[in-house]
Amino acid sequence: KAGVTQTPRYLIKTRGQQVTLSCSPISGHRSVSWYQQTPGQGLQFLFEYFSETQRNKGNFPGRFSGRQFSNSRSEMNVSTLELGDSALYLCASSIGERARTQGYTFGSGTRLTVV
Amino acid sequence: KQEVTQIPAALSVPEGENLVLNCSFTDSAIYNLQWFRQDPGKGLTSLLLIQSSQREQTSGRLNASLDKSSGRSTLYIAASQPGDSATYLCAVPFLTDSWGKLQFGAGTQVVVTP
Repeated sequence: KAGVTQTPRYLIKTRGQQVTLSCSPISGHRSVSWYQQTPGQGLQFLFEYFSETQRNKGNFPGRFSGRQFSNSRSEMNVSTLELGDSALYLCASSIGERARTQGYTFGSGTRLTVV
Repeated sequence: KQEVTQIPAALSVPEGENLVLNCSFTDSAIYNLQWFRQDPGKGLTSLLLIQSSQREQTSGRLNASLDKSSGRSTLYIAASQPGDSATYLCAVPFLTDSWGKLQFGAGTQVVVTP
C-alpha cells in the first residue's frame, strides 16, 4: 500500500515569504503529525491533527499553522519565513486511536531552505 | 517530563561486526518504544515497534529489547553491512499527552566500513 506522501520534496523561499507543505497519510490513517528537524535541535513536534481537529501543538510561534481535510490530508503553513525556519519537515501518519499500539509511519520529508 | 537519550552519538564499525545501540528514557510508564532509521536528508523508516508488555522484538538481523524498569532499550544489528550506515533514532509517545506526539532521542550515527 502507498506510504506517507509529502510534497514538495524541496523548496527554496526568501525571508518574509510564506510556504505551504502537504502531507497525504496512509489510506485509512486519520492522524497526521508534523515535526521539524534541524541539526541543532533534532526532531521537534509541531502539531497533530485527528479527524480535522488539532489535538496537540508544540512550542512553535504562531507563524506555524496547519490544518487537516476531510480526506485526512494535511497541510502546514509557515508565514513570514525566517532563516531559522530552514529545516527538514516530516509528516507522520497513524491509525489514530490505536497509534500507541501500532506506531507511526513517516514520509520522506520536505526540505525547506530560506535564503 | 520524558527525556530520551541515545548513547553513543556516533559509532564506526568494520563490516561483519554486531552493532549495539542504546536508548534510555526517564519515565518508565511508556506505551511503546519505536526504533527508526534515517538516511542523510531522508525521512524516517520504522524498524521495530516494541509494546510496553514485550521484552523484545525481532525482524531479520534486527533485535530490540526493552527493559521498562530500568528505562532502557537496546537495538542489536547482527553482522553489520555497509548498507546499515545511517542514523538510528528511538522514540516514545508522550504518556500524558495525545497519541500524536513522540519524544525522540538525538540519534546514533552509524558508519559501517567495508
